[in-house]
Amino acid sequence: QKEVEQDPGPLSVPEGAIVSLNCTYSNSAFQYFMWYRQYSRKGPELLMYTYSSGNKEDGRFTAQVDKSSKYISLFIRDSQPSDSATYLCAMSLYGNKLVFGAGTILRVKS
Amino acid sequence: SAVISQKPSRDICQRGTSLTIQCQVDSQVTMMFWYRQQPGQSLTLIATANQGSEATYESGFVIDKFPISRPNLTFSTLTVSNMSPEDSSIYLCSVFSLAGGKDYEQYFGPGTRLTVT
Repeated sequence: QKEVEQDPGPLSVPEGAIVSLNCTYSNSAFQYFMWYRQYSRKGPELLMYTYSSGNKEDGRFTAQVDKSSKYISLFIRDSQPSDSATYLCAMSLYGNKLVFGAGTILRVKS
Repeated sequence: SAVISQKPSRDICQRGTSLTIQCQVDSQVTMMFWYRQQPGQSLTLIATANQGSEATYESGFVIDKFPISRPNLTFSTLTVSNMSPEDSSIYLCSVFSLAGGKDYEQYFGPGTRLTVT
């Protein structure tokens, strides 16, 4: 069993839809949770960072962490074609060594 | 925010040869990381490189295959030695807590796309 599970997709949605991306994990000691966006042939770009449980909002993006369920989510409101990318969840014990999910391919159709 | 650059951006190499990848950051950072992203797979940490000390390798990665240098606080190299087609991957460097960034935020360079024939 992988430490971090993430559905690879692809997930295809119409422009303007709300997108929900999720990861589950097995190590209850993880404390730091990140979401990265990776465009084709580019390095991962940090989108959201959350420490411990709770919600964090930044513009159209909301990150949620439920440590009791070992489940994290990223919501994208009013999705745009420019949001089409691979979304990677990542987590860490101490904020340094990251363990990544496999990434979910998102396609937003105009 | 600081900028991370990598050289080369891509290369095609013959099996049995070695390639050195450079990572340059435009601000001083304590910790640098090297990751591998194999086709269709997620990122896997190869090693952590701190200035002034030997790199720390993750399980499954060894210094003889992936020697790393960290001569100062803005630069690191990763060498992929005695390459085989299985080494074909994207190699990414990453830095931890850039100047102006928040603690525990980790940023990535653009990656080096390596193809071994």
